[in-house]
Amino acid sequence: GAGVSQSPRYKVAKRGQDVALRCDPISGHVSLFWYQQALGQGPEFLTYFQNEAQLDKSGLPSDRFFAERPEGSVSTLKIQRTQQEDSAVYLCASSLEGTGYNQPQHFGDGTRLSIL
Amino acid sequence: ILNVEQSPQSLHVQEGDSTNFTCSFPSSNFYALHWYRWETAKSPEALFVMTLNGDEKKKGRISATLNTKEGYSYLYIKGSQPEDSATYLCASLDSNYQLIWGAGTKLIIKP
Repeated sequence: GAGVSQSPRYKVAKRGQDVALRCDPISGHVSLFWYQQALGQGPEFLTYFQNEAQLDKSGLPSDRFFAERPEGSVSTLKIQRTQQEDSAVYLCASSLEGTGYNQPQHFGDGTRLSIL
Repeated sequence: ILNVEQSPQSLHVQEGDSTNFTCSFPSSNFYALHWYRWETAKSPEALFVMTLNGDEKKKGRISATLNTKEGYSYLYIKGSQPEDSATYLCASLDSNYQLIWGAGTKLIIKP
C-alpha cells in the first residue's frame, strides 16, 4: 500500500505478557517515529530511527520497551512484561528524510493496546 | 522541554460557520510548527508545516498563520462542513528535532 501500515490494529494482552507491534513505513522513507498516545492527550514521542540507526530513544518509558528497525524499513516496538499503564494507542509515523525539520510525518492507523 | 498548548480543548460549530483555534508554543529556539488533522478511526493527516514568522498557508477552506516571535499559530476553517469534524493537533519541533505535541482541539460540526 501507499501509506504507513501498522499491525495489529487492536491488541489485548494480560498483564505480564510480552507484545510486539509492527510498523511498515512508506517505501523510501528514511525517518521512522514511534509515539504513545493516551486517551485525551496528544502523542508522546517514544523513539526515532534514521534508516536502521536508532538515533533517539529518550522517550521510551522504561527498559521494558524496545524498538528495532534492522533493515531500515519495517520496525517493531516490543513491550516486555506489560503493565496496565502501557494501555494506549501506539502510533508509527515516517517521513521522507532527515529529522522532520520541514517534512510532514505520515502516520499509520495505530495499534490500540489494552492490558488486562 | 517545550510545552505546547492548544485551545479550546473542544469546539462545537454550526455547519456553514467559520471558526479558528490556537496553538501556543515557546518562542525561543523555534524550528518548525506542524498542524495535523486526526479523524476518528483514521490516522493523523498532515495539514501544514510552517517555519517562517508571518507565514500563512492555505489548503482549501483551511488556513494557518504563524507568529514565531510571540509563539502562537492560528488554524482557521472557513464555512465549516461535517467532514471537518476531527481533532486538530499542533506540534512544535524542539532542539532535539522531536515533535512536541499539544493535546488537540476537538472540533464538532453540527448540521
